[in-house]
Amino acid sequence: DTEVTQTPKHLVMGMTNKKSLKCEQHMGHRAMYWYKQKAKKPPELMFVYSYEKLSINESVPSRFSPECPNSSLLNLHLHALQPEDSALYLCASSQDETDRNGYTFGSGTRLTVV
Amino acid sequence: AQSVTQLDSQVPVFEEAPVELRCNYSSSVSVYLFWYVQYPNQGLQLLLKYLSGSTLVESINGFEAEFNKSQTSFHLRKPSVHISDTAEYFCAVSDLASYDKVIFGPGTSLSVIP
Repeated sequence: DTEVTQTPKHLVMGMTNKKSLKCEQHMGHRAMYWYKQKAKKPPELMFVYSYEKLSINESVPSRFSPECPNSSLLNLHLHALQPEDSALYLCASSQDETDRNGYTFGSGTRLTVV
Repeated sequence: AQSVTQLDSQVPVFEEAPVELRCNYSSSVSVYLFWYVQYPNQGLQLLLKYLSGSTLVESINGFEAEFNKSQTSFHLRKPSVHISDTAEYFCAVSDLASYDKVIFGPGTSLSVIP
């Protein structure tokens, strides 16, 4: 298995809702990443997990809450989002944080906040 | 701090014509360079990478990129493009000082015209 799987593919949520994005990989990678991508823009790093511990938080608002329950799974919990949070949320993984062979990305979750 | 510039935001090219997508970077230390491709409504896929050694790197689908240290460039080329190459292309850099952060350029939208 050489894929990163993200669910759901599409999500529409209200500003008072609580929802979660899920990311799964079975490649034995020990570093996992959340990126946010607005239309026609490059991905922006949000969080990095290394060996199931949060190692980087790029000053992301607390309405985004990451969780890494085990080495294969990465969640992003969403609460009280704003319309400007609408974007494509990408998960990626790599062997570990020092791996220089590039990342494997999932297909993303397209989030719309109404 | 490292940064990446992609001077061309959009590149239209006719099918079977050659193409070059430009990428320049700035970094004070040795760098690792990547090209990622993003097809519509998908995540990013690693196209090719330069870590060390030969300055010319190739992908399996006919793209190549050349690392030029004196010009701090990593331009992507293909001698003959296909309709299926229509996509967004992102140049990315990481360096020894911040190997856990990959910085993406703004992207170049390649449109292949039949």
